[in-house]
Amino acid sequence: DTAVSQTPKYLVTQMGNDKSIKCEQNLGHDTMYWYKQDSKKFLKIMFSYNNKELIINETVPNRFSPKSPDKAHLNLHINSLELGDSAVYFCASSLRTKLYGYTFGSGTRLTVV
Amino acid sequence: TQLLEQSPQFLSIQEGENLTVYCNSSSVFSSLQWYRQEPGEGPVLLVTVVTGGEVKKLKRLTFQFGDARKDSSLHITAAQPGDTGLYLCGNTNAGKSTFGDGTTLTVKP
Repeated sequence: DTAVSQTPKYLVTQMGNDKSIKCEQNLGHDTMYWYKQDSKKFLKIMFSYNNKELIINETVPNRFSPKSPDKAHLNLHINSLELGDSAVYFCASSLRTKLYGYTFGSGTRLTVV
Repeated sequence: TQLLEQSPQFLSIQEGENLTVYCNSSSVFSSLQWYRQEPGEGPVLLVTVVTGGEVKKLKRLTFQFGDARKDSSLHITAAQPGDTGLYLCGNTNAGKSTFGDGTTLTVKP
């Protein structure tokens, strides 16, 4: 009965590969997000989707492409992985109403070697 | 531009001590959230403060929103090892969000 689940938990891959991270939420939220947390624990938003439509696309290389097949899913595909992509990626969801805060998944630790 | 600054960045204390961490900004926010993140997990929402001067309590944790809604504080009374984690303040605004750089708290038994 996990609220926001993302897979895989750990991902180790070589430079140049293409990989995907999946995220699903069962909270009935209408907005989903991808965040990147660097080694200094700084949490930075990458993308935000509301009802399957992209509403925020921060300065992220176009090697990163989010896909939302429905309101409950937001996947992240990364092409041509680079060493600098190594980080922890968090999926989150919320209701568009700003007061409720976010529910985060447990993260995917991506290591590019 | 870092809109939310948290202090201290690191805090290590003994069990039973009290502590306060701060979240400051030059901008006015309609609300602020506090999260706790444990190693290997995602941030977990603790509280949302909305009204200037508001004080909210969650067991041994007391959260305050500044009168001008530019800053917030988190006070922990009689800290326990289970309080160990990264504390993040954040603001959400119509789906967009800003997070502070966090305070890493270690409570030693």
